[in-house]
Amino acid sequence: RKEVEQDPGPFNVPEGATVAFNCTYSNSASQSFFWYRQDCRKEPKLLMSVYSSGNEDGRFTAQLNRASQYISLLIRDSKLSDSATYLCVVNLMNTGNQFYFGTGTSLTVIP
Amino acid sequence: NAGVTQTPKFQVLKTGQSMTLQCAQDMNHNSMYWYRQDPGMGLRLIYYSASEGTTDKGEVPNGYNVSRLNKREFSLRLESAAPSQTSVYFCASSEWGWTDTQYFGPGTRLTVL
Repeated sequence: RKEVEQDPGPFNVPEGATVAFNCTYSNSASQSFFWYRQDCRKEPKLLMSVYSSGNEDGRFTAQLNRASQYISLLIRDSKLSDSATYLCVVNLMNTGNQFYFGTGTSLTVIP
Repeated sequence: NAGVTQTPKFQVLKTGQSMTLQCAQDMNHNSMYWYRQDPGMGLRLIYYSASEGTTDKGEVPNGYNVSRLNKREFSLRLESAAPSQTSVYFCASSEWGWTDTQYFGPGTRLTVL
């Protein structure tokens, strides 16, 4: 079983739509959670960290549900520039202390 | 600041050849990492260096070696390349360990024939 699982999509949404991605992780000892964004043939870049209380950054909201072992990313008022692959990242501190990346969810925002 | 730089950007090798991928960061970060990214697999950690002078294996270390040359530089060596090592390789760095943001280099696209 993969440590981190995401729906690969693709999600094709019109401009202005709201879209949500979920990511599940297998190890309840996971400590840190992140969403990274990766544009086609580019390197991943941090979008936002995910805190227990949930956090918001402009049009982006991240939530963590430890009981159900999933994190979510909500994008409101989608822009064309939001088209990218979104990677869920989980840190497992009790298994060699490393990041595990999901395979990513592809988003295309359509004019 | 250039951030994290990697060389080369592209490389084609024949099976059995060796090569070293170079990575350097100018952010005075302590921790550095090497990942590979394959379709449908996500990024997987090959090796990491928590601080200068230390290196540790990640999820997929077989067939690779690393050297933390100094605080700035972390190289990845393929001693005898195999087609299964065809991938995109990313180097990353963070200020301290696993709770900090990782900053990635632009990647090296390696093909092994």
